[in-house]
Amino acid sequence: AIQMTQSPSSLSASVGDRVTITCRASQGISIDLGWYQQKPGEAPKLLIYAASTLHSGVPSRFSGSGSGTVFSLTISGLQPEDFATYFCLQDYVYPRTFGQGTKVEIK
Amino acid sequence: QAQLQESGPGLVKPSETLSLTCSVSGGSISSDYWIWIRQPPGKALEWIGFIHYSGSTHYNPSLRSRVTISLDTSRTQFSLKLSSVTAADTAVYFCARERAVEYHLGYHYYTDVWGKGTTVTVSS
Repeated sequence: AIQMTQSPSSLSASVGDRVTITCRASQGISIDLGWYQQKPGEAPKLLIYAASTLHSGVPSRFSGSGSGTVFSLTISGLQPEDFATYFCLQDYVYPRTFGQGTKVEIK
Repeated sequence: QAQLQESGPGLVKPSETLSLTCSVSGGSISSDYWIWIRQPPGKALEWIGFIHYSGSTHYNPSLRSRVTISLDTSRTQFSLKLSSVTAADTAVYFCARERAVEYHLGYHYYTDVWGKGTTVTVSS
């Protein structure tokens, strides 16, 4: 199975900051990667698919980039509602595999 | 917008079979891929498998010998059965929908709708 290595595992940031989270795949996955937001007790929400395509209804402060083995999620101008856990998911092959998650906390 | 809701026992005894159901509302189950995912405490999410509306299935090799996913289109539900459970199967279990979008080189896939998850503990 493809291994997804996500970093950092956690970060502290302030409202208005720009934050970047990275996922590295153990082999090339083209652009077949999605980013998700997860809050306790809630269903995970799709933010970005195909590495850089913003899902419907997702604010434009979220952006994604990358291809092959290295991908990034950037939040430009962190909002109070953005403090959550983020994870990546490769959609290139089965079984799908996930990054370990990044918890974004308030500084 | 489709919504998914997991249901089933929160406690299962070791060696027994875990059974969960995902109810789909606000959309048709007669398309797309219907997925089970789990998250053990303190660990990463693990993809369990899918059933396509056509009935085809694909399971994670790590669980294949113990997993069955089935679809009930008349009741807009799909189900997960995991046999011979142990404490290692204790997790939050999510159901979700995966879609395919065509582009000029093939398809992109994305998992766009998730349930909130249900906690299953394996203990005697």
